[in-house]
Amino acid sequence: DAMVIQNPRYQVTQFGKPVTLSCSQTLNHNVMYWYQQKSSQAPKLLFHYYDKDFNNEADTPDNFQSRRPNTSFCFLDIRSPGLGDAAMYLCATSMGRQANQPQHFGDGTRLSIL
Amino acid sequence: AQSVTQLDSQVPVFEEAPVELRCNYSSSVSVYLFWYVQYPNQGLQLLLKYLSGSTLVKGINGFEAEFNKSQTSFHLRKPSVHISDTAEYFCAVRDFGNEKLTFGTGTRLTIIP
Repeated sequence: DAMVIQNPRYQVTQFGKPVTLSCSQTLNHNVMYWYQQKSSQAPKLLFHYYDKDFNNEADTPDNFQSRRPNTSFCFLDIRSPGLGDAAMYLCATSMGRQANQPQHFGDGTRLSIL
Repeated sequence: AQSVTQLDSQVPVFEEAPVELRCNYSSSVSVYLFWYVQYPNQGLQLLLKYLSGSTLVKGINGFEAEFNKSQTSFHLRKPSVHISDTAEYFCAVRDFGNEKLTFGTGTRLTIIP
């Protein structure tokens, strides 16, 4: 089945130690999104790629970066994780950026900071 | 700017009883509306969407929602819930021409056996 796959499902890192989360998709969608979801809150958009065009949300901390080496893969890099970065990170894709295009989500990576 | 309000943060319902999860939105232009479900430790799964046409939209798992433009609402309903419906439900809105999907704060549905 075509899908959005996030690895790993659970990630533990140390305070200040860089960490990378990965997302892959078999849907061949043009757009890939990264969301941060803290406990009992709505997902918050960090940034998205339309093809190779990177779009950062204004309130996304500089600590968060992303790479999209090809259509299928997208990475979230946290350069120096703080305790406040512990959250579920969700990757999503959509065929295009049109407002009527639904987003398809992976199962998320839960990040813990020691 | 678009926004979504889910007034009920938690809704407990007895098994096989009906349920309605409320969603109201605010936007100065026409919108597309979505309901997503999130099971524990999983990502979001699309339940249903309203793009145009009939205001009553049917989705997966027996859920349906009705778009009411005059009341700016998009409430989610199911006539008879099951234990497996226990999850967090998010309403989301997207303005015409807006790339950003705005989520409500979610409603945790708990089914009581």
